[in-house]
Amino acid sequence: GAVVSQHPSWVICKSGTSVKIECRSLDFQATTMFWYRQFPKQSLMLMATSNEGSKATYEQGVEKDKFLINHASLTLSTLTVTSAHPEDSSFYICSARLGLAGGKYFGPGTRLTVT
Amino acid sequence: QKEVEQNSGPLSVPEGAIASLNCTYSDRGSQSFFWYRQYSGKSPELIMFIYSNGDKEDGRFTAQLNKASQYVSLLIRDSQPSDSATYLCAAQDDKIIFGKGTRLHILP
Repeated sequence: GAVVSQHPSWVICKSGTSVKIECRSLDFQATTMFWYRQFPKQSLMLMATSNEGSKATYEQGVEKDKFLINHASLTLSTLTVTSAHPEDSSFYICSARLGLAGGKYFGPGTRLTVT
Repeated sequence: QKEVEQNSGPLSVPEGAIASLNCTYSDRGSQSFFWYRQYSGKSPELIMFIYSNGDKEDGRFTAQLNKASQYVSLLIRDSQPSDSATYLCAAQDDKIIFGKGTRLHILP
């Protein structure tokens, strides 16, 4: 199947700092990537849809100025959590869709802990 | 609000038996349906997707779709301990909506 990577796999940062998470599609081009957040024992919550070369589309309740998304190329999307707070601690997962109607392939996730 | 409903479980199934996971969705406009497996602390992994009414088989897995009843299921034959995980159902129209998942526990 298609391979999606994320970096870093885990990060610990201090409150008030910013953290950047990278999502790459390794063996296919993804015009659209998706960013999810998952709290313990909860399902995935879509944060935003990242479109190559254009602005991301954010879900209701997600602060676009806090969660900056850049999709600069067909294989790379980045999520920057700005001015992180402890409540931002979560498992952040990206995914990329193979083709227009294909299933989503998920990256391995990034566990963010804000102290 | 578009929703995908799953029983949270845990669903306990003896090794070698058939595990049956069920899912209902609210949006009649949903066109594609997916089953993901997620191990604890890991990212979801796509198992199967189905678009048409009926059954779709892939190895030990069979996905079943009934659009009239807005119902999707996943059957796992010859269940193995390694199948123990949370299974997420998802339905897609313009967006993919995930259920909260069903925890499956295969008893050795």
